Amino acid sequence: DAGVTQSPTHLIKTRGQHVTLRCSPISGHKSVSWYQQVLGQGPQFIFQYYEKEERGRGNFPDRFSARQFPNYSSELNVNALLLGDSALYLCASSRDNLPHQPQHFGDGTRLSIL
Amino acid sequence: GQNIDQPTEMTATEGAIVQINCTYQTSGFNGLFWYQQHAGEAPTFLSYNVLDGLEEKGRFSSFLSRSKGYSYLLLKELQMKDSASYLCAVKGTGGFKTIFGAGTRLFVKA
Repeated sequence: DAGVTQSPTHLIKTRGQHVTLRCSPISGHKSVSWYQQVLGQGPQFIFQYYEKEERGRGNFPDRFSARQFPNYSSELNVNALLLGDSALYLCASSRDNLPHQPQHFGDGTRLSIL
Repeated sequence: GQNIDQPTEMTATEGAIVQINCTYQTSGFNGLFWYQQHAGEAPTFLSYNVLDGLEEKGRFSSFLSRSKGYSYLLLKELQMKDSASYLCAVKGTGGFKTIFGAGTRLFVKA
């Protein structure tokens, strides 16, 4: 079975632009979470979606938004990009929303803002 | 506030044992995870603790004390391929939010 897939793998944008990142969870997984990871730091929680509804939101500005589709894939949108948004964006899926279930991460999208 | 603390870096010798500590203060607790992340790669799941005590899985073991807000990951018979970052993560109330520590970079030397 395929793991979590993210696209694109790399992206270069300029300040003020917007970006859409995409994630396909492992088949059968209904929960998708998004994280931002800057070099040398751990992943920072942005959103969690389960059964197409937002279930959790981290401390990120309203420029960040996301959604989950009926097939459980997800998009992360970032508007009005800032230099500080340069990071690795990770998507992780789990089968359900149960606490003991580990998250399976994709390889991420590396976003560079010029 | 919510905080997870781990040492920034550790160095150990091939074949040895290393213990990576993690202390946490979070609003709500639904379990603690350890993930391994090699440079340039995605994190991969290592262990999960929700009750106090030791969980053993091959060369890796993880311990939890909820009253002390403390966990450690124990790696035995270190191999060069164990050189990676080790992330401690706590799942909060409702299971909706996972807070990660900054990670501990482990260097295994010959």
